[in-house]
Amino acid sequence: EAQVTQNPRYLITVTGKKLTVTCSQNMNHEYMSWYRQDPGLGLRQIYYSMNVEVTDKGDVPEGYKVSRKEKRNFPLILESPSPNQTSLYFCASSPLMEGANEKLFFGSGTQLSVL
Amino acid sequence: GQQLNQSPQSMFIQEGEDVSMNCTSSSIFNTWLWYKQEPGEGPVLLIALYKAGELTSNGRLTAQFGITRKDSFLNISASIPSDVGIYFCAGQGRAGTASKLTFGTGTRLQVTL
Repeated sequence: EAQVTQNPRYLITVTGKKLTVTCSQNMNHEYMSWYRQDPGLGLRQIYYSMNVEVTDKGDVPEGYKVSRKEKRNFPLILESPSPNQTSLYFCASSPLMEGANEKLFFGSGTQLSVL
Repeated sequence: GQQLNQSPQSMFIQEGEDVSMNCTSSSIFNTWLWYKQEPGEGPVLLIALYKAGELTSNGRLTAQFGITRKDSFLNISASIPSDVGIYFCAGQGRAGTASKLTFGTGTRLQVTL
C-alpha cells in the first residue's frame, strides 16, 4: 500500500531533550516536506526537500533540523525542544511530475507535547 | 510567511444541507487545491484547479478557481456524516513548478443527523 509513515503518533517530552520524528514514504517520491498544524493557523511548512541531499527552509524552520540521506526517509529533528514546539506535525511527499509538487500525500501525523 | 484566509472558520450543519466555503489571498495563485483532513488523519487531496474560472467536480464536491486568481470556492452538496473534517485550501504561485504551497487556516465542518 502506498503510504507516508510517521513515527511516533504521540510523543510527550520535556524541554531540552533531543528528539527525532521519523518519516518514510514507499512511493519513490522526490519531494518531501514537514508541516506543523496549530489551531487557527492551518498548516505551516517547516522544511522541505526536492531530492536526496537537497533541503531548504520553509516558513517556520527555527528550532528544527532535517536530513535527506535516502530518498524514502526525511526525519525531523528537534535538538532542544521548547514548549512552543508543542504541535501536530505532518510529513508529506509528492512526485515531481513536470516539475510540479502540488499533489501531496500526507502521513497520519505526530502529536508532540513539550513540557 | 503568507497565509490564506478561509471562511467560515467552522460550520455546524444538518445532514442533507449544502455547504459553501471560500479561501482568499492577497496574492495571485496559479494553482488552487482543496484538501480534507478527517479526525486523526493527515489531509487528503480532493480537487486541484489550474486555470482561472475553472470549475471542477469530484462527486458531491465542486470547486472553482476565482477569476481574479486570488480566491477559490468549495461547495459540498447534500452533506452526509462522513463529510466531517477540516477542509484546507492551498495555493501555489507558479504552476508546473516545485514552488511552495501556502495553506489556508482551515474550515472545520460538523454534520449533525
